[in-house]
Amino acid sequence: GENVEQHPSTLSVQEGDSAVIKCTYSDSASNYFPWYKQELGKGPQLIIDIRSNVGEKKDQRIAVTLNKTAKHFSLHITETQPEDSAVYFCAASAGSASKIIFGSGTRLSIRP
Amino acid sequence: DAEITQSPRHKITETGRQVTLACHQTWNHNNMFWYRQDLGHGLRLIHYSYGVQDTNKGEVSDGYSVSRSNTEDLPLTLESAASSQTSVYFCASSEYRKGNTEAFFGQGTRLTVV
Repeated sequence: GENVEQHPSTLSVQEGDSAVIKCTYSDSASNYFPWYKQELGKGPQLIIDIRSNVGEKKDQRIAVTLNKTAKHFSLHITETQPEDSAVYFCAASAGSASKIIFGSGTRLSIRP
Repeated sequence: DAEITQSPRHKITETGRQVTLACHQTWNHNNMFWYRQDLGHGLRLIHYSYGVQDTNKGEVSDGYSVSRSNTEDLPLTLESAASSQTSVYFCASSEYRKGNTEAFFGQGTRLTVV
């Protein structure tokens, strides 16, 4: 079955710097890669996603890149702010009516 | 507004008891999922359903069961609660639309088995 690995497990960056979280997946049939943000005491919320026919997608300070050949995808957050502190999960899915498999999460801390 | 709700938010139960966690969504989504969240393991899939009367086992299904009698609800039952099942449980629902499968999560249920 699908396996998603995520690194690092914890990440601390200075406010204003960039943060990068990386994931790899095992199932070549996966074609949808969402990223979720989980704040303390809440359920995960989708922040950005990318499909396998796209190499990069950007939404303001957040960008995702996908290397389908290497089965790697990454989340990039630029100009980090205190409200970016949270746990981030990558995930992979094979699309229509398919289960979503999550990585183990990255706890991001933004230092003032 | 459409939403997904879980109840209870917190539950303490004794080892060996049967426990049912409720999940109700008003998105009219066909897909529903149960995950457990433990430190160092992220979100692990317990059971999932693609529609009424459909249920499937996830990667950590032992000791859990679900039933799907309508579109809105997917209750999760722990047949005989064990301390290893102490965790935070999240329910989610999703629908495949325009090539995307965004999942919406509930607020979670913190279950403690003593």
